Order: sequence, then C-alpha cells, then structure tokens
Amino acid sequence: AQSVTQLGSHVSVSEGALVLLRCNYSSSVPPYLFWYVQYPNQGLQLLLKYTTGATLVKGINGFEAEFKKSETSFHLTKPSAHMSDAAEYFCAVISGNTPLVFGKGTRLSVIA
Amino acid sequence: GAVVSQHPSWVICKSGTSVKIECRSLDFQATTMFWYRQFPKQSLMLMATSNEGSKATYEQGVEKDKFLINHASLTLSTLTVTSAHPEDSSFYICSASSPVAGANEQFFGPGTRLTVL
Repeated sequence: AQSVTQLGSHVSVSEGALVLLRCNYSSSVPPYLFWYVQYPNQGLQLLLKYTTGATLVKGINGFEAEFKKSETSFHLTKPSAHMSDAAEYFCAVISGNTPLVFGKGTRLSVIA
Repeated sequence: GAVVSQHPSWVICKSGTSVKIECRSLDFQATTMFWYRQFPKQSLMLMATSNEGSKATYEQGVEKDKFLINHASLTLSTLTVTSAHPEDSSFYICSASSPVAGANEQFFGPGTRLTVL
C-alpha cells in the first residue's frame, strides 16, 4: 500500500525567502504524485502533478517539484515566498487503481 | 475546465436530522466520485468511492447506513448524513475523476461545512 509523509506540520518563512515543503512517498508501483493547496474553508486546488516524463515539474503560482525516485521524494519549492502563499499544502500519491492518499499536510506561514 | 461544485457550501442542522450534500461535475462526466471528510487542522480522510450506477465502496470504519451515497448520474453524486449528531460536524469535500478529464487526476469541489447543533 502506498503512503505519504510530509515532514513538518508547520513551516514558517520570511517573505521573499525560499519555500521548501518536504514530501516522501512509499509505493510498490510507479506513482503519480500531486501537490495541492488549501486556503481556509475552501477545497483543494492542484498546484502541480508528476505522472511520467520530466522529473522536474512546474506548477502554478511559481511552485515546482522534483520527483526523485532514488530518494522516494517529491519536495515542493518556490524561490521567493509571497504573503498570498500562506495556506495548507498537501502532498498526495496514487498508484495503480488505488484511491488518492494524502499526507497530513504542512501549514505554510509567510512572515512580512 | 474540470470544475466541480458542491451545494450547500455550509449548513447548520439540529441533532437527529438528515442533511444532503450535492456534488456536481459541471463540464465533464465523472465516472468516479469520492467523498472525504476533514476535521480541523487535519488531512482529508477518504470516506467512500462511488461509480455511476453502482453502490459506493466505503472505507473501513465508515458507517454506510449513516453516510448514504448516491451516484445517480455521471454529473451528480449526493452524500446524505442521516440522523446527524454533533460528532458529524466536519468539512466534507467531494472530488470527481474521469479518464477523459485527466487520467488518475481528481478534481475537488469547494467543500461543505456541516455543523450539527
């Protein structure tokens, strides 16, 4: 069965600083990996996804993530944090015909 | 494209009453719909998976007689919380998928906040 581990339930960065949100996965078959963002009292918005092909994936709002099979990781980065990036971020994995499995989430705070 | 809506966005009800939440795929036909619940400051927990025209598959620990799911058409799924109690208060989110809309991708609705008094 697949699983997702997000290291750090809360990450705080200064405005303009690098954002790094960590995600490690476990899957017995090649996974599809996703990052979602959730603003308070809203649903999930897809930031980016990895299915096949290029391992560096670019998403919306300047975010990107790199699939590293050897490290079973799919960390999310953004070079320069903006106040509007403050939200909850979820990493998720799907493989085969199994339902989407979410990590516990990481709350990103951006300090002015 | 691939927009999913939920109605209502929030609902308050008395203990013992039933509440129905609708999930609609607006611009694609959803072969599969998923229902999640999310407690404050926690991740999404899958409750059930439903395919159009067939019975929903519930996750372990989810009471199928309490959380009735109907997926009557390719664009509509409903979740009915029967005899709701305060512990059912939560944020309920649906998602929909379709091989046409995007392989292995789920499109999420905006969520429904249920408060049971």
